[in-house]
Amino acid sequence: SYVLTQPPSVSVAPGKTARITCGGNNIGSKSVHWYQQKPGQAPVLVIYYDSDRPSGLPERFSGSNSGNTATLTISRVEAGDEADYYCQVWDSSSDHRGVFGGGTKLTVL
Amino acid sequence: EVQLVESGGGLVQPGGSLRVSCAASGFTFSSYSMNWVRQAPGKGLEWVSYISSSSSTIDYADSVKGRFTISRDNAKNSLYLQMNSLRDEDTAVYYCARGLTIYGVVIFDYWGQGTLVTVSS
Repeated sequence: SYVLTQPPSVSVAPGKTARITCGGNNIGSKSVHWYQQKPGQAPVLVIYYDSDRPSGLPERFSGSNSGNTATLTISRVEAGDEADYYCQVWDSSSDHRGVFGGGTKLTVL
Repeated sequence: EVQLVESGGGLVQPGGSLRVSCAASGFTFSSYSMNWVRQAPGKGLEWVSYISSSSSTIDYADSVKGRFTISRDNAKNSLYLQMNSLRDEDTAVYYCARGLTIYGVVIFDYWGQGTLVTVSS
């Protein structure tokens, strides 16, 4: 089965740029989606199809995907961005399956 | 407004059974695939099961295949997960998530608040 690898944690100062990576074999050939989960809350979709933002989401959130790495970039980080972030792909090579990365805890210093 | 409300969680003994439900509103339920995703305490997200809009396609994670059954009732705007032969490692918050399908790729665009299932003796 397909495996997605994320760093367990990323730390960034307020106002700086945070980059959270998601590694997978030839992930650039797949569509990657990103979810934000704050403590005690359900996940929220923040990026889909590598770089598209749901309506209402700040432009500070962006995504890219190439080769073996997809990246979620958060510009001008705010305290409210502190959360767990998960990447996800849909693996339909053999069955219809969702695959999540292990998640990255973003800490705003 | 899209709403997904899970119910039916609780405490069950190992080897027991439980059915969790998800009530949907605010969208045409019969037009969307649906999924169950779970999260063990302090752990990450794990996709559990998928069902297409017409129930014609169903799939499960290997960890639950043969023990869990997903179903839906489009007339009642409801999604279900029947869980049998429960194990300690099935303890988790179970979320239902709407599947937005674009070119065969499923995106979990809306999530419920989850229902906690605890398997313990």
